[in-house]
Amino acid sequence: NAGVTQTPKFRILKIGQSMTLQCTQDMNHNYMYWYRQDPGMGLKLIYYSVGAGITDKGEVPNGYNVSRSTTEDFPLRLELAAPSQTSVYFCASSYGAGSYEQYFGPGTRLTVT
Amino acid sequence: DAKTTQPNSMESNEEEPVHLPCNHSTISGTDYIHWYRQLPSQGPEYVIHGLTSNVNNRMASLAIAEDRKSSTLILHRATLRDAAVYYCILRVLPGGGADGLTFGKGTHLIIQP
Repeated sequence: NAGVTQTPKFRILKIGQSMTLQCTQDMNHNYMYWYRQDPGMGLKLIYYSVGAGITDKGEVPNGYNVSRSTTEDFPLRLELAAPSQTSVYFCASSYGAGSYEQYFGPGTRLTVT
Repeated sequence: DAKTTQPNSMESNEEEPVHLPCNHSTISGTDYIHWYRQLPSQGPEYVIHGLTSNVNNRMASLAIAEDRKSSTLILHRATLRDAAVYYCILRVLPGGGADGLTFGKGTHLIIQP
């Protein structure tokens, strides 16, 4: 049981490039989340999904897109990368909302120069 | 999610108990109190949660004030591996949607050998 896995672990992008951050979970969780964490700060929610085919915006969605075609995968797409998107990105999943705990992946460290 | 207030940092000695406080004076009757921690260069991990009664698990104990306006995470015997940032988070009961966790800056716990 691998839990939540993310690829890549590190990436450097040039301004204006695009990329997809991959996230996969093997716990059959319906709920999945993308967060970003800037240095010295707490995590901020980018997008979330309550099941395949259903996604919704979080606190900081601008500059990102998501899709959820399967229960297992929840990729995050960055279009036209900007220096402000330099951050560590965490994917998480949970069985449900509210009282259910979230399981986090190890993160992707992204630098945009 | 309602707001929480935590000290920026705390220091303790190895093998001693640690009490991490959290104030949440605007908590509503349906908010669960969650604690997560983030070890250096890792994703957050769930520690414990509760609603009204004190809770114990293998990692920690959670003491909730009678008026629920504050809570304390208790690590009974701190080890060097407990050095992390601890986040106190309020979550509403499941009621539709899948709101993500709202992270503040948390408490940076330093453990001295």
